[in-house]
Amino acid sequence: KAGVTQTPRYLIKTRGQQVTLSCSPISGHRSVSWYQQTPGQGLQFLFEYFSETQRNKGNFPGRFSGRQFSNSRSEMNVSTLELGDSALYLCASSLEEGAIYEQYFGPGTRLTVT
Amino acid sequence: AQKITQTQPGMFVQEKEAVTLDCTYDTSDPSYGLFWYKQPSSGEMIFLIYQGSYDQQNATEGRYSLNFQKARKSANLVISASQLGDSAMYFCAMRPSGTYKYIFGTGTRLKVLA
Repeated sequence: KAGVTQTPRYLIKTRGQQVTLSCSPISGHRSVSWYQQTPGQGLQFLFEYFSETQRNKGNFPGRFSGRQFSNSRSEMNVSTLELGDSALYLCASSLEEGAIYEQYFGPGTRLTVT
Repeated sequence: AQKITQTQPGMFVQEKEAVTLDCTYDTSDPSYGLFWYKQPSSGEMIFLIYQGSYDQQNATEGRYSLNFQKARKSANLVISASQLGDSAMYFCAMRPSGTYKYIFGTGTRLKVLA
């Protein structure tokens, strides 16, 4: 079974631009979560989607948004980029069945804002 | 507030020795899951082990075991017979029941010495 894939793997953008990151979950997984990882803040939860519905959202400004499609693929968008948005963005999927909800992570998209 | 605390920013262990990585958590939810993830230098997060709050026995997965002490709110990861490939960042995470949100600690960087 293929793992979680994220595209692109690396991205360089300029302040003020917007960016869209993509995540394809493991086949059959309907839950997709997004995280921002920085050296100073660690892993910060952005949002979680299940069957195209956002079920939870972290404490990020409205510039960060996401969506999920009917095939469970998810995208996140960051508008009006700031230097502080430079980070590794990780996507994770989980099966959400049974009692264990372990997440499987993709390789991440490393975003650099200049 | 729901929180995960990992007090060891870095640890060293000799190859073939056992090592314990500390994790304490704070939640008022009676039901929650605890997870450990490994993040090698490549960046991808790898699921290691899971412990449910109502599980009576400590979880084990190969060389990984979770020392779960519910009253003390601790969920330490024990790695037996350390290998050079175990050198990585290790994250403890918690998912309170019904939140669809995972809370991560700041991580412990483990270095295995030959």
